[in-house]
Amino acid sequence: QVQLVQSGAEVKKPGSSVKVSCTASGGTFSFYAIAWVRQAPGQGLEWMGGIFPVTDTTTYAQKFQGRLTITTDKSTNTAYMDLSSLTSEDTAVYFCARDDRRDGRWYFDLWGRGTLVTVSS
Amino acid sequence: DIQMTQSPSSLSASVGDRVTISCRASQIISTYLNWYQQKPGKDPKLLIYGASNLQSGVPSRFSGSGSGTDFTLTISSLQPEDFATYFCQQSYTPYTFGQGTIVEIK
Repeated sequence: QVQLVQSGAEVKKPGSSVKVSCTASGGTFSFYAIAWVRQAPGQGLEWMGGIFPVTDTTTYAQKFQGRLTITTDKSTNTAYMDLSSLTSEDTAVYFCARDDRRDGRWYFDLWGRGTLVTVSS
Repeated sequence: DIQMTQSPSSLSASVGDRVTISCRASQIISTYLNWYQQKPGKDPKLLIYGASNLQSGVPSRFSGSGSGTDFTLTISSLQPEDFATYFCQQSYTPYTFGQGTIVEIK
């Protein structure tokens, strides 16, 4: 059974960067896309972007263009989310999710447990 | 971007009640609509994909319907473990979520 295992909580200063990892344990994600979704405290879900590991094709939400980088290391079945120029508004739980497809319809069917990123001076 | 609007934002219901949550897209998305359940401190769980397809392992009391711009999630008989927040998501392009509907115990 594949699980997505995320790295631990981070505390960052405003203006710095954070890199969160997501490792597929018990399997491979090479044939699936991986998405990153965040959730600010008490708020809803926000899709940030994703990557298709087979081709390393990335897609980013316009809001994060220029300060979000998503990469993969296929040798370790790990995806990374790197967010720069952090502000307090980036304080959130960051989830990775497997982006699968059936009958032409895409959906997130497997999620990591989330990584809390706190931005504070 | 496509905006997703859920209603109501919250509701109170009793065990055994039939519950309906609506989701409206700002433009036509065919059936590119998913529903998720999230409990406090947990990751979201996929319930319905493609507007009406029940994800494997999800109880049959959950159902989805709709196409175009208007969609509905129905819980036919609310169970204690169903008290949670529900989100719709369009997967047309790019992905966006509704703001969520909190289902609380009456």
